[in-house]
Amino acid sequence: QQQVRQSSQSLTVWEGETAILNCSYENSAFDYFPWYQQFPGEGPALLIAIRSVSDKKEDGRFTIFFNKREKNLSLHIKDSQPGDSATYFCAARASSGSWQLIFGSGTQLTVMP
Amino acid sequence: DAGVTQTPRHEVAEKGQTIILKCEPVSGHNDLFWYRQTKIQGLELLSYFRSKSLMEDGGAFKDRFKAEMLNSSFSTLKIQPTEPKDSAVYLCASTPRNSGNTLYFGEGSRLIVV
Repeated sequence: QQQVRQSSQSLTVWEGETAILNCSYENSAFDYFPWYQQFPGEGPALLIAIRSVSDKKEDGRFTIFFNKREKNLSLHIKDSQPGDSATYFCAARASSGSWQLIFGSGTQLTVMP
Repeated sequence: DAGVTQTPRHEVAEKGQTIILKCEPVSGHNDLFWYRQTKIQGLELLSYFRSKSLMEDGGAFKDRFKAEMLNSSFSTLKIQPTEPKDSAVYLCASTPRNSGNTLYFGEGSRLIVV
C-alpha cells in the first residue's frame, strides 16, 4: 500500500506555463510534507516544504497548496523554465511516532522551450 | 562545506559478487540513511543510523544487505551476494539533529549486476 502517492509519472509543459504536480497521502498523522527535486545524475535536494498547520507555502516560483481534509497537496511551478526539468518527489512524515520520511514515486517534469 | 560523498559512483558486478558502497556524511550530521532508488519502486529505505546506532534495518532488505557506521564520518553498505535485481542507484543521505527534517543526499552509487 502506497502511503504517499503521486498521480502522474510524467508531466510535460511549455516554457512559461504553470506546472502542477499532485500528491496524496493515506496517514492522517503525517504533518510535514517536503518536496524534493532531483536532476539526472544527482541526489534529490529539498525544494520546499509545508507543515500541516498551513494551507499554502510559497518560495519564489514554487508554491505548495495543502488540503488537510482531502489529504492531498500540490506543487505549482509558475513560469516554468527548461531548467526546471527534473523529477519531483513528494514526501511525508509524522512528528510523533515513526521518524521515517515516506517518499512518493516521483513525477518527471519536462519543460519544453 | 563538503556535502555527502559517495563512492564509487558507478559499479558493475557479476551475480554472486560482494559489493561495498561507501558514504561520508556531511560533517557534524548525526543521522545517516541509505536508500535504494529504482524507477519502479522509487526511493526505498534500507537503513537508518542515529549517532552511529542502527535504528532501522530496512525489513525486506535484511537478507543480503548490511549497513554499518564505523564512525560518525563513514558508513558502508555491503550487498552479499549480489543479484541482478539489485541493479539500482544507492543513495546515502545525512541530516543534523534538530534539522527540521531536511535530508542531504549524495549523488548516489549506480550499481549494475550482470
